[in-house]
Parts: sequence; C-alpha cells; structure tokens
Amino acid sequence: QSVLTQPPSVSGAPGQRVTISCTGSSSNIGAGYDVHWYQQLPGTAPKLLIYFNTNRPSGVPDRFSGSKSGTSASLAITGLQAEDEADYYCQSYDSNLSAYVFGTGTKVTVL
Amino acid sequence: EVQLVESGGGLVQPGGSLRLSCAASGFSFSSYWMSWVRQAPGEGLEWVANIKQDESEKYYVDSVKGRFTISRDNAKNSLYLQMHSLRAEDTAVYYCARERPIHGDLINWGRGTLVTVSS
Repeated sequence: QSVLTQPPSVSGAPGQRVTISCTGSSSNIGAGYDVHWYQQLPGTAPKLLIYFNTNRPSGVPDRFSGSKSGTSASLAITGLQAEDEADYYCQSYDSNLSAYVFGTGTKVTVL
Repeated sequence: EVQLVESGGGLVQPGGSLRLSCAASGFSFSSYWMSWVRQAPGEGLEWVANIKQDESEKYYVDSVKGRFTISRDNAKNSLYLQMHSLRAEDTAVYYCARERPIHGDLINWGRGTLVTVSS
C-alpha cells in the first residue's frame, strides 16, 4: 500500500485542463522532500515528466506543470491531447520508511 | 544517448533465485546512484532498492530486505539485482533507473525485464 494517494482516474475532453493530486503526509511531502512525476504510456516504461516539484525536463511540453503545497502536490495538464492518455505517478521520499515511494497512480482518459 | 537495458528475467518457481542485470551506456555510470523499480501486472510502481556510486550505501523496500541484494560493477557499467526466496508477489516487470543526484528523481529508465514466480 502506497503512502502517496492519487485519484484512480481523471478524464477530460481535448483542449481541457485536468489536474491530478498526490496526497502525502508529514514524513514525505510535508517534510519538504521533492515530488516528481512520471508518465507511463500503455506498454512502455515510465518517463520523467516533472522533477523538483515544478521543473520539466527538456522535450516535455509546457502543457504539463507541477506544484506542491503542504503535504500535497499536483500535476496539471492544460490543452489536453489524445497523446496524453497514460498513467501518471508521483514520487517522493519517506523518512519513516527510509525509502522512495510512488503514488497509487492515475489513469488519464481523453474523452 | 542514455541506454539502460535489463536482462535476466524469466519464470522461476516459488523459493527460487534469479539474478537481474542492467547494462548502462551513454553516461558516466560510476557517477550516479542507481535504482531498481518494479511493477506487478496491472499494478502501480514500487521502488525496490538503490545503490550509491561506490556501493557504500544500499537501501531496500521492507518487502525485499534479506532476500534481494543490489550490486554494481562500475568497470562493466552494470547494475545487478540478486533475488532469493522468490514469492508469487515478486512477479513484476523490473526496471533499472538512473537517479539524479541529491533529489532522487529517476531520470532515465530501461524497458524492463519480466520476472514470473509460479509453480
């Protein structure tokens, strides 16, 4: 069982904005550890999407943005496109577990 | 171009052992922490273990402590995961990944290798 909770699914029409929450606790996100986000397209390996809470690796469209506040973080996708259909995972570090932890994952569906 | 290529997966009986390998290229392997992450069929991601550049520090998720051992050979640009006492719940695709220094995000991932534990 993950210590980072995400909604199982979110959906939106092309062009819309969707957000994915990642809720943690005082031993991970609330302790100040960075949050990172990964995109996993069907049948492929995860790919780094957002690092250090808000930063995009080169090549990632600026439609993707991250934020962090308190014990939670969020990933926003604006101008949703069909190619954004994928699973998305947040990741941080947990001091109680002394381990990296992933969120439960969110499936994004483009209607 | 950074490449991480896992190998060594397969079908193994419960209680058996398996050794996974990850061949790295395109970056200075000896300069980075490396991780193993797994994903059970239809499930989410689970971090398994990581290892410091000089092997002086190794960390594991509780569920594999005492059964799995992570190691590396910097001369061969290779990462390993030795798995013993395998259980059905260890069935997963195992990915190796390069870590960004300090912050722990996983910059690059391999395609993964499937481990199936079944009789």
